[in-house]
Amino acid sequence: KQEVTQIPAALSVPEGENLVLNCSFTDSAIYNLQWFRQDPGKGLTSLLLIQSSQREQTSGRLNASLDKSSGRSTLYIAASQPGDSATYLCAVYTGGFKTIFGAGTRLFVKA
Amino acid sequence: EAGVVQSPRYKIIEKKQPVAFWCNPISGHNTLYWYLQNLGQGPELLIRYENEEAVDDSQLPKDRFSAERLKGVDSTLKIQPAELGDSAVYLCASSMGGSYNEQFFGPGTRLTVL
Repeated sequence: KQEVTQIPAALSVPEGENLVLNCSFTDSAIYNLQWFRQDPGKGLTSLLLIQSSQREQTSGRLNASLDKSSGRSTLYIAASQPGDSATYLCAVYTGGFKTIFGAGTRLFVKA
Repeated sequence: EAGVVQSPRYKIIEKKQPVAFWCNPISGHNTLYWYLQNLGQGPELLIRYENEEAVDDSQLPKDRFSAERLKGVDSTLKIQPAELGDSAVYLCASSMGGSYNEQFFGPGTRLTVL
């Protein structure tokens, strides 16, 4: 059974710092991996989708990498801003068209 | 382009009452998902539709939950009767045909059962 873990559960950093969020999964036989952002009381906003054949994807200050063999993905945020404060979730697309989410990392960027 | 639309945004009901949630996916998206999200957790799939067919409802508590997607566009999720433990956020998402494509989420409906 696929399990997705995100560590740490919460993170507080000063503005301007570069940071890395981690997502690990137990079964390397995945199709795609998607990173989302969720603001309090809101739905999920798609940030990046990495296909299984890709190693990384970039969008603005965000860079997501995928290492299927080690069961890991990282989301790198450059030059963090207070507006980046949110919960970041990763989701793994597995066989049987299942989507398994991690519990998320709550990020707080201090001005 | 309009995103995924959900209504209502908030709903407060007494236990044992029925409740319904509505979702309109992004135009052209054949796949529609209903998720349940408890506080501090990631979403968990309740049901997935490909057009009007429910292709995965293995996690849907069928004794009290039902869903439909008539005409393969908008969808309704119903709970009858609601229990205290059903208090959560109900999220709807959609994607292009095929189920490994990028998912786009609506704002969710926050249900409180008293």
